[in-house]
Amino acid sequence: GQSLEQPSEVTAVEGAIVQINCTYQTSGFYGLSWYQQHDGGAPTFLSYNALDGLEETGRFSSFLSRSDSYGYLLLQELQMKDSASYFCAVSIGDDKIIFGKGTRLHILP
Amino acid sequence: EADIYQTPRYLVIGTGKKITLECSQTMGHDKMYWYQQDPGMELHLIHYSYGVNSTEKGDLSSESTVSRIRTEHFPLTLESARPSHTSQYLCASSLTGLEAFFGQGTRLTVV
Repeated sequence: GQSLEQPSEVTAVEGAIVQINCTYQTSGFYGLSWYQQHDGGAPTFLSYNALDGLEETGRFSSFLSRSDSYGYLLLQELQMKDSASYFCAVSIGDDKIIFGKGTRLHILP
Repeated sequence: EADIYQTPRYLVIGTGKKITLECSQTMGHDKMYWYQQDPGMELHLIHYSYGVNSTEKGDLSSESTVSRIRTEHFPLTLESARPSHTSQYLCASSLTGLEAFFGQGTRLTVV
């Protein structure tokens, strides 16, 4: 089987930086990806890592360490519109994508 | 921008009815997925496909079935709807299996 662990909630201040961690256990690991979901909406793809290291996409960055089975999503210059749920997901083989339970990000003004 | 469409967006149906949720994508992606998600909860993989005529069950036991006769089309069918099937159903597609692009979802209510 497979498992993913991420914090259920994180709170940060507008303009600050926040990191959402994700640890995973699975065989056939292919990559780790991140998604944002606002209330009532569908998940939207943010970033993926197939190799170790940091991927940067604007204010969002994602990191992967395959040896530690660990990754994180870094959000910089937080804006109120970033209040949402964030999901990490593992790709198993190159076909199956399994999601974590999600992290609810609260942003304070 | 992803082009993946789900219909209907909302559906209220009686117990015992047969329903088909439609999902189509115009990106030519081989991989497609169905997830079930209750409000504020995690996404559960119920079915996936890696190409035409290939379908697999996901990790969540489901009484639904899927078919993949054309690359762009991946419908999900419930033969006999029950109140426990009330949920949001999300369809997604992927080119590489590393990133998933989602449709807007179908909110199903079984009464």
